Amino acid sequence: GAVVSQHPSWVICKSGTSVKIECRSLDFQATTMFWYRQFPKQSLMLMATSNEGSKATYEQGVEKDKFLINHASLTLSTLTVTSAHPEDSSFYICSAPVAGWTEAFFGQGTRLTVV
Amino acid sequence: AQKVTQAQTEISVVEKEDVTLDCVYETRDTTYYLFWYKQPPSGELVFLIRRNSFDEQNEISGRYSWNFQKSTSSFNFTITASQVVDSAVYFCALSPQGGSEKLVFGKGTKLTVNP
Repeated sequence: GAVVSQHPSWVICKSGTSVKIECRSLDFQATTMFWYRQFPKQSLMLMATSNEGSKATYEQGVEKDKFLINHASLTLSTLTVTSAHPEDSSFYICSAPVAGWTEAFFGQGTRLTVV
Repeated sequence: AQKVTQAQTEISVVEKEDVTLDCVYETRDTTYYLFWYKQPPSGELVFLIRRNSFDEQNEISGRYSWNFQKSTSSFNFTITASQVVDSAVYFCALSPQGGSEKLVFGKGTKLTVNP
């Protein structure tokens, strides 16, 4: 299968700072990347869809100015949580569909803790 | 709108018992795809199966089996002779149209297999 590499696996940051999460497609070109968020003991909810070379599409209720998504190349999409607060503490995970495959491939996920 | 319901929040069984995880979905699409993912404590999502709406054949893969019934909009997952390593959160998910589009997840069922 295809590989999506997500970094960092976990991060602890202070309230008010920004955190960048990267998702790289290692052996394929990802024109689309989906970003999900999972609060503790909750389901995964789609936050936004990033498309290479264009603006991301955000789901209802997700603040686009707070969660900045950049998909500047076919192998890298980034999610930046700006001015993070404790309520942003969550598990963030990306996925990318791959042409010819029946399922999207997920990154390993990033556990963000804001203190 | 699409919706996935996993009514069982947590299930606890003793090793070697069989266990069935329920999944009921709602969609107005005639073409859709259903998935099951396993999420161990480490957080990554492990793809288990994909089924499209035109294929109602049940599937068996080792100790795992899936029962897809369009008449009841259900896609249940059975683990036979459960093992401790099966302990994880299991998610059922629905893809509105494409096989690799964004997913709508259920809330997940936490399975604990005790020795």
